[in-house]
Amino acid sequence: GAVVSQHPSWVICKSGTSVKIECRSLDFQATTMFWYRQFPKQSLMLMATSNEGSKATYEQGVEKDKFLINHASLTLSTLTVTSAHPEDSSFYICSARAQGPRNQPQHFGDGTRLSIL
Amino acid sequence: DAKTTQPPSMDCAEGRAANLPCNHSTISGNEYVYWYRQIHSQGPQYIIHGLKNNETNEMASLIITEDRKSSTLILPHATLRDTAVYYCIRGGGATDSWGKFQFGAGTQVVVTP
Repeated sequence: GAVVSQHPSWVICKSGTSVKIECRSLDFQATTMFWYRQFPKQSLMLMATSNEGSKATYEQGVEKDKFLINHASLTLSTLTVTSAHPEDSSFYICSARAQGPRNQPQHFGDGTRLSIL
Repeated sequence: DAKTTQPPSMDCAEGRAANLPCNHSTISGNEYVYWYRQIHSQGPQYIIHGLKNNETNEMASLIITEDRKSSTLILPHATLRDTAVYYCIRGGGATDSWGKFQFGAGTQVVVTP
């Protein structure tokens, strides 16, 4: 149980294009989903928190117009990297927390490796 | 600010128990301790979490000190597949309604034959 699917797992695109990453909770409903970014040999850095049906909350230093997050249903959140540039190349990981007590663990997807040429 | 402290690396012999320490001396009364591991190029995998009682599941045991300022994750019989970065995270308290996690650097565990 508690499976989170992330798609695509790997994407390469040209500078200036926008890229959408999907995060789905397959066997549970997720009130809250989270988006992280991880650079090589570094830890995960929280980018934003999204709650179903409301606007995402971004961490300090994360541009909300650059990283658009939509959490339209209890099983799907999307992250769109707009006008991507080489410095946006990174490993993007989502997680989801099931409905219920806030102490429930987050369950993570397998990440999306984004390379901008 | 990850709010937890872990050793940067640890070696463990295959078949032996691996004891991974974590310091969270400023943990608040209603925050939980969570453990995850990340194998290269994958998303973190949930291992276990607890509040103040010791916990055990099919993967590991979690020992939390009585003052809750530190904890130890125990992998009872380490295998080569347990080689990963292990993260100790505190969260889920009442002041954080969304249960956000702040990851620290974690401990790189290498299991050797």
